[in-house]
Amino acid sequence: AQSVTQLGSHVSVSEGALVLLRCNYSSSVPPYLFWYVQYPNQGLQLLLKYTTGATLVKGINGFEAEFKKSETSFHLTKPSAHMSDAAEYFCAVTPTGGGNKLTFGTGTQLKVEL
Amino acid sequence: EAQVTQNPRYLITVTGKKLTVTCSQNMNHEYMSWYRQDPGLGLRQIYYSMNVEVTDKGDVPEGYKVSRKEKRNFPLILESPSPNQTSLYFCASSLRGWPDTQYFGPGTRLTVL
Repeated sequence: AQSVTQLGSHVSVSEGALVLLRCNYSSSVPPYLFWYVQYPNQGLQLLLKYTTGATLVKGINGFEAEFKKSETSFHLTKPSAHMSDAAEYFCAVTPTGGGNKLTFGTGTQLKVEL
Repeated sequence: EAQVTQNPRYLITVTGKKLTVTCSQNMNHEYMSWYRQDPGLGLRQIYYSMNVEVTDKGDVPEGYKVSRKEKRNFPLILESPSPNQTSLYFCASSLRGWPDTQYFGPGTRLTVL
């Protein structure tokens, strides 16, 4: 079984500040990990994903995430927040090597203030 | 344009009245899935399909049915809707499942009175 925990249902940052959204996972086998973004009244869009190989993954819109097996974490970061980054962000996990269920975290609402 | 479409986008119905939410993709994807989104719970997978005539339960399948008779379509059926099925529903598809990128539809907001 797998699960995802997103710490902080709401995060507020100033424009230009670092964005850090936390995600910890639990999986009995090596996981695939994903970050999705949902803008108001829209569906979800993939930001980035970790499959194998390099543990630092770069995504769209300047976001990146680092897979840390020892910490079972996959935190999302962006060096400088922009107003357009205000959205809800979801971390998700699925096991590698079979199994086709995708488990999402409960989401983090990011607010960007002037 | 490559896309996943859902219909209807908004639906208000009453308890027990059967309904179908359609989902269609034009990307020749093998994998399709349905999710429901509820405040504070994130998205939870209802059913998924690896290909035509192959479907399987997700985490919250109770009260729902699906079928996959054609590759492009994956309708979600609520045979006897109840108020606890009031939710925002998303259909998604990907080429062959994980870790292929999953594309989401715009969502269907369902209210069951």
